[in-house]
Amino acid sequence: SYDLTQPPSVSVSPGQTASITCSADKLEDQYVCWYQQKAGQSPVLVIYEDKKRPSGIPQRFSASNSGNTATLTISGTQAVDEADYYCQLWDSSTMVFGGGTKLTVL
Amino acid sequence: QVQLQESGPGLVKPSQTLSLTCTFSGGSISSGAYYWGWIRQSPGRGLEWIAYIYYSGATYYNPSLKSRVTMSVDMSKDEFSLEMRSLTAADTAMYYCARVVAGATNYFDLWGQGVLVTVSS
Repeated sequence: SYDLTQPPSVSVSPGQTASITCSADKLEDQYVCWYQQKAGQSPVLVIYEDKKRPSGIPQRFSASNSGNTATLTISGTQAVDEADYYCQLWDSSTMVFGGGTKLTVL
Repeated sequence: QVQLQESGPGLVKPSQTLSLTCTFSGGSISSGAYYWGWIRQSPGRGLEWIAYIYYSGATYYNPSLKSRVTMSVDMSKDEFSLEMRSLTAADTAMYYCARVVAGATNYFDLWGQGVLVTVSS
């Protein structure tokens, strides 16, 4: 089974690019998705199947998955992007979440 | 507009059983394109998957919770439910229901607002 590791926190200045990683052995063999959870709100899907954006998600959100690391990238980060971000995969009928990364926009 | 709404008690005593229901509106729970799931989040902690179910009744549980959890579905009401037994303070959490897109991979594309469950005497 997979154990998804995320950095607890990432900081970024407004307008800059934020990168949040999710790591596990041979992660590229699985599809990874990403959720955004703002304070006091339910999670929202921002990326699915490694790099696809649901309708309504801004183009500044992109992602990739290669080797042992999946990466969520937010280009031109805005204050509204400050939130917790979780990666997730599905493996052998089991859903696995990463521990989450708190993105702070300073 | 499709949405999910959780309902259930906010306070449960230790050792008792928690029963939560999720109502789906704006569509039918018997759509074969989706599963229906539960996720929880302890205060200040990350997301933990609990279980998910297909409209046919096929269920999939988190191995760490499997012995205490049962999911069921009621297609006539477009509802699905979670039962969790032998509660302890460690089960205090926000409980979310969510829709699972079934395909090349499974992910949650629609979430309820959550219901806060506190386990305390």
